[in-house]
This record gives sequence, structure tokens and C-alpha cells, in this order.
Amino acid sequence: KAGVTQTPRYLIKTRGQQVTLSCSPISGHRSVSWYQQTPGQGLQFLFEYFSETQRNKGNFPGRFSGRQFSNSRSEMNVSTLELGDSALYLCASSFNTDTQYFGPGTRLTVL
Amino acid sequence: DQQVKQNSPSLSVQEGRISILNCDYTNSMFDYFLWYKKYPAEGPTFLISISSIKDKNEDGRFTVFLNKSAKHLSLHIVPSQPGDSAVYFCAALLSGAGSYQLTFGKGTKLSVIP
Repeated sequence: KAGVTQTPRYLIKTRGQQVTLSCSPISGHRSVSWYQQTPGQGLQFLFEYFSETQRNKGNFPGRFSGRQFSNSRSEMNVSTLELGDSALYLCASSFNTDTQYFGPGTRLTVL
Repeated sequence: DQQVKQNSPSLSVQEGRISILNCDYTNSMFDYFLWYKKYPAEGPTFLISISSIKDKNEDGRFTVFLNKSAKHLSLHIVPSQPGDSAVYFCAALLSGAGSYQLTFGKGTKLSVIP
């Protein structure tokens, strides 16, 4: 099976812009979660989607949003980008088990 | 408040010896624990997991031990190989919560010296 894929792998934006990141889970996986990794805060949970519904949300401002489509692919959107949003954004998928499998991540740089 | 802690930011071990990575947690409701390995600019790779109903799980060179009373788990790698050099993250999960939200430690950078 193909693993979790994320596009794009690298992105450079300027403050105030918005960005959309995409994630395709492992075939058959219905749960998709998003995490932010920064040097200072480590890996932090953003939100999780299951069957197109957001089941859980981490402690991030409303500028961070996401959605999941009927084929389980997911997107996350960050509006009004700030310098502090520069991070590695990771997507993970799971098939109704407790183990999540991660994609390679999207490296977002905000200038 | 950090619910999962990896108190050693780094660890150096000679090739062929045992590597022991430690992790402590504060939330007694966590009931499933995972270890991930991560190289720079890549996503975490799942290594091994353990349910709170067990105290040990083995997979090849990797063994995870869980001490629920101490809220402590450890990952043993035997023998250590240079390819094991990476950052290792401990993660915890409330498996019955109806949502897959992993809480991660800050990671331990393992360097295996040839």
C-alpha cells in the first residue's frame, strides 16, 4: 500500500496570506489527523477528521481550519499567516486502530 | 502543562550496545503508548506500541516496557546500530476517547557511534 502523501512538500508564503495543505491517507484509512511541529513546542495536535467530521480539535486559533472529503483526503487551511506559523505540518492516518501513520510533512515558511 | 515528558534531549551510545530511551507521563487516563523515530525533514515513522494492559512488547531489536504505577515507559534498542541515529518521540493516547489525538514528548536525539 502507498503511504500517506502530503502536498506540497515545501511552501513559502508572506505574512497575511493564506495557505492550503493537502493530505491523502493510506487507502482504507478513514481517520486523518494534523500536527504542527516547531523547534520550541514539538509536535502538537491540530485536529482530527473521521468520515468527513471533525472529531477533535487542539488548542490552536480559528485561523487554522480543515476539512475531509468523501474519499478521506483532507486539507488544512491557515488564514492570515503569521511568522510563528512557520513549521513542519504533518498529516497522519489511521484505520480504526490506535496506531497513526505519518506522511513526510509540508515545510511552511512564512516571511 | 506537558503531559508526556522525555527528560533527556540527547543520548549517545556505542554501536552494538543497548540504547535506553525514557518517557514519563502525568495523565493516568492514557492507555496506549507509541514510539516513533524521526529523521530531519521527514515524518515520524512508527516503531512499536504498547497497551496499558501489558508491561512489555517486543519487536525485533526494539522492546518497550511500561510501568503504570510509575507512569513511565522506556524503549530499549539492542544492539544499537548507526542507522538508529535519529530523534525518538514517545506518544500517548486515550484510546477510548473516540478520537485519535496523540500527545507527544519533545523527543530524544539518539546518536549511535560506530
